[in-house]
Amino acid sequence: GQNIDQPTEMTATEGAIVQINCTYQTSGFNGLFWYQQHAGEAPTFLSYNVLDGLEEKGRFSSFLSRSKGYSYLLLKELQMKDSASYLCAVRGWGGFQKLVFGTGTRLLVSP
Amino acid sequence: EAQVTQNPRYLITVTGKKLTVTCSQNMNHEYMSWYRQDPGLGLRQIYYSMNVEVTDKGDVPEGYKVSRKEKRNFPLILESPSPNQTSLYFCASSSDHSNQPQHFGDGTRLSIL
Repeated sequence: GQNIDQPTEMTATEGAIVQINCTYQTSGFNGLFWYQQHAGEAPTFLSYNVLDGLEEKGRFSSFLSRSKGYSYLLLKELQMKDSASYLCAVRGWGGFQKLVFGTGTRLLVSP
Repeated sequence: EAQVTQNPRYLITVTGKKLTVTCSQNMNHEYMSWYRQDPGLGLRQIYYSMNVEVTDKGDVPEGYKVSRKEKRNFPLILESPSPNQTSLYFCASSSDHSNQPQHFGDGTRLSIL
């Protein structure tokens, strides 16, 4: 089976750093994506990891450990507009484009 | 502008009345998918297509049909909608390279009464 776990909700303060964790158990592994989704809107792509290590993209970074089935998304210098849901999605086997999504972490950024 | 376009954006209808949600992409992507998003359950894949005339079931295909007669279009068909299909639906597309993300449409909110 396939299972992806993320915290349901997190809160943080503007200007702070927050780390959103994702653990997964999938039949095979072929890459992990992070998406941002504002309420009522479409998910938008943030990052992709397929090898172990850290990928940095401006204020956002994503880390992957394949042996531990673990990833995190790090958001620095938080802004109010970062209040959104963050979705972890894993590509396993069983279809090249088959993604399995976690239920998402809702991040609330306060002033 | 590169985009995935879904129509309609909102629809309220009644049980049993066939409906089609259209999806079109202008990026010449090979792969297209349909998802539904429900509170507490996240995004779940309904069907996906790897190219024209090639479709396969996702995790929750019951009650849905799809077709891929042209590369750009991937309509979702509900032959006999039921209230448990009330949900937010997203269409997505991507190229055939493994590190390319899926691009999502703006979503279709369906209410089946």
